[in-house]
This record gives sequence, C-alpha cells and structure tokens, in this order.
Amino acid sequence: DIVMTQTPLSSPVTLGQPASISCRSSQSLVHSDGNTYLSWLQQRPGQPPRLLIYKISNRFSGVPDRFSGSGAETDFTLKISRVEAEDVGVYYCMQATQFPHFGQGTKLEIK
Amino acid sequence: QVQLQESGPGLVKPSETLSLTCTVSGAPINSGGYYWSWIRQHPGKGLEWIGYIYYSGSTYYNPSLMSRVSISADTSKNQFSLKLTSVTAADTAVYYCARGSRWEVLLAYWGQGTLVTVSS
Repeated sequence: DIVMTQTPLSSPVTLGQPASISCRSSQSLVHSDGNTYLSWLQQRPGQPPRLLIYKISNRFSGVPDRFSGSGAETDFTLKISRVEAEDVGVYYCMQATQFPHFGQGTKLEIK
Repeated sequence: QVQLQESGPGLVKPSETLSLTCTVSGAPINSGGYYWSWIRQHPGKGLEWIGYIYYSGSTYYNPSLMSRVSISADTSKNQFSLKLTSVTAADTAVYYCARGSRWEVLLAYWGQGTLVTVSS
C-alpha cells in the first residue's frame, strides 16, 4: 500500500499570509500511463470534502487561483498565496495511482 | 447540477449488514465515464475510500474491506448502494457518496454524508 504522510498536522496562519502543506508518498505516484494522480481536497468544518487540485497542479472548477499545487514523484505541496477566513478547515492529499488513499489531514487555522 | 444524497439507517447492530443508498439527481448514473464512489470518515478522523461502481457496472473495492463490501446500482431509480456486512463498532463513521467524471477527478462531487453508528 502507498502511505501518504502530510506535514504539518496543524498550521496556524495569519490572515493574508501564505500557507503551505506538504504531502509525501511512500513510493512514486507516477502511474504506468504517465500521469501522477495526486489530488488535494479541503474539508471545511461540518462540510463534506471538496476537490481543489487534481493531477498535482490542476485547479478544479470554481477553485480560487490563490490555491496552487506542485511537486513530482513522491513529494507534493499545496500552497495558499493569501489565506482567507473561509480557508479554515482540514486539507487532505489523496493518491489514486493505486487504490485511492488519503493523507491524515492538515488542520489550517487562523492565528 | 449533479446532486448526491445519502440515505439509510443511522443505527446498525453489531454483526448485521449496513446498507446505504445514494440518490443521484441531475445525471443518469449509467451515462458515459462516470465513477460513483463511497468514502467514509470515522468520527474526528481522516478519510477512507471504500470503493466505486463504474457507469458500466464494474466495481473496485478497497482491499482492506473487500471481503465485506459490495456496491451496486439501480439505474431505474438512479441510485447506487453500499452494503457492508458483519459490522463492528469500528465501522461507525460518516459515509459519503461521490461522483467523478474521469479517474483524475474521481471524487469531484460529494453528498452531504450520513452518520452510521454501530451499536447494540
């Protein structure tokens, strides 16, 4: 099984400042078809998760451009350029190169 | 706009079968290319993907749950369902259904989720 490890587990951020979350996989996420199936999801308090980013860096429909994803192979990063109050929640990376598996989540909170 | 709504018993006894239904509106579940998934979230914990049924009817399950899980579809009702047998307290979770139009956006749209508690 591919293990997904996120750091940090908690991230206090000042409004308007950037935030960054790291996700590392236990093996390469490059699929045999050449794609890397690494996604990021956001879960606001009391809400279902919401897809933000797919295939490392592609923003899903309706996702603000302050969210960006980067990385390759086993190391990936989600960045928020300027944190807004509505960004509070838990962020999960997810790989679908093998059967889908999530990281343990990173809680983003406002200082 | 596709919407998904989970429904089913909120309380299930240990050793019994958990049965949930996801009712889809806004898109036929047998239309081309869609993946229809079930995911669960234990209280205060992270996410666990359970499995999916493809629009063609093929299924794929999390290996850790494979012996107890089945996902099926009823195209006449535009629903897909989850059955999880021999449940224990460890199966207490919020269960979500989700849709993806292709593999890279497997979990693009989610239902609101339903809490299932396993207890006698």
